[in-house]
Amino acid sequence: NAGVTQTPKFQVLKTGQSMTLQCAQDMNHNSMYWYRQDPGMGLRLIYYSASEGTTDKGEVPNGYNVSRLNKREFSLRLESAAPSQTSVYFCASTLSGSSTDTQYFGPGTRLTVL
Amino acid sequence: AQKITQTQPGMFVQEKEAVTLDCTYDTSDPSYGLFWYKQPSSGEMIFLIYQGSYDQQNATEGRYSLNFQKARKSANLVISASQLGDSAMYFCAMREGMDSSYKLIFGSGTRLLVRP
Repeated sequence: NAGVTQTPKFQVLKTGQSMTLQCAQDMNHNSMYWYRQDPGMGLRLIYYSASEGTTDKGEVPNGYNVSRLNKREFSLRLESAAPSQTSVYFCASTLSGSSTDTQYFGPGTRLTVL
Repeated sequence: AQKITQTQPGMFVQEKEAVTLDCTYDTSDPSYGLFWYKQPSSGEMIFLIYQGSYDQQNATEGRYSLNFQKARKSANLVISASQLGDSAMYFCAMREGMDSSYKLIFGSGTRLLVRP
């Protein structure tokens, strides 16, 4: 089991460029999440998908879109990147079957927008 | 208002000693869960321990234990017998309610440095 995988690991964009961050999990989890982590801060939720076919906004959704492609994959798209979106992006997933369910995280994508 | 507060930006501890990392939370929901994650310099988020709001006993996982004081709304992480590999950022997180979204709210973290 690979767990949660993310691609790419690093990316540099120019302001206004677009890109899609990919996330996949092989744990048969129902819920998936995208977070961003800025220097000196904790993780903040961008979007989540409680189950296949549903997506909802989190705390900081502006400038992003998501697609829950299937149960395994959840992508995050930046349509027109801005320097304020320079951050480390984490994808996570959880089974969502019990109160003790843990969110498992991918290794992160370090994004720099110039 | 901040939901999760970690008041210690950084801490030092001597190897083999115990250390307590503070976490206070704010919620009006009677049903919630509290998590601690470790983030080493390599960047990944590693789950350490979980405490449910209805759990009668404090959670323990190996050298990690959670000092849960419900009335004070605190969920401090205790690491016993610190090791050099414990040097990392530590994040406290809360999940409110038991709906299907299972969203987590994170604190700003505490950087722990273990001295040899």
